[in-house]
Amino acid sequence: SAVISQKPSRDICQRGTSLTIQCQVDSQVTMMFWYRQQPGQSLTLIATANQGSEATYESGFVIDKFPISRPNLTFSTLTVSNMSPEDSSIYLCSERTSGIGGEQFFGPGTRLTVL
Amino acid sequence: EDKVVQSPLSLVVHEGDTVTLNCSYEVTNFRSLLWYKQEKKAPTFLFMLTSSGIEKKSGRLSSILDKKELSSILNITATQTGDSAIYLCAVDLNNDMRFGAGTRLTVKP
Repeated sequence: SAVISQKPSRDICQRGTSLTIQCQVDSQVTMMFWYRQQPGQSLTLIATANQGSEATYESGFVIDKFPISRPNLTFSTLTVSNMSPEDSSIYLCSERTSGIGGEQFFGPGTRLTVL
Repeated sequence: EDKVVQSPLSLVVHEGDTVTLNCSYEVTNFRSLLWYKQEKKAPTFLFMLTSSGIEKKSGRLSSILDKKELSSILNITATQTGDSAIYLCAVDLNNDMRFGAGTRLTVKP
């Protein structure tokens, strides 16, 4: 599997501010995903980030709130905009090196706390 | 609506016990089922199952898929305190992954 790193690993932010989370993969990957895991809950897919095209958002998530960039095959960012305490979660970047049907691996996660 | 249901939601055992975790699913476009172990933040990959009846094994962990019953089990034998974690089941629906709520396993010394 590719090695995935995320920055920052954790942050405490004020309400109304924005935070950009970076995800770096050490090899070119076809599919990258962003997940959220709220306290005590399972993972929820926010969006699929495809290089060279707009991200595809899941129901309940919108681009204005969670803008995503995917400038190349090894890097993606997720911004959590105009944050509120309800955005306090672990945010996870994920990849499938081998594309659809392949194994999926996760980055170390970013723990976000919004005050 | 696609659903992935795990049971039990939590389980407490003692070292040396054997545990069986269950995952059932009702989905369209099933491609594969994956198991993950989540200790702190990031889930770590355990197994991917695509064919019924073929057991996958890694040390004390093993898993098998039953497509007829739309379910999978994850077995852990001779449990150790280091096995304490949340175990997540996920079903791959082509371009999407649906996760179960997880089973929180606690192994006491």
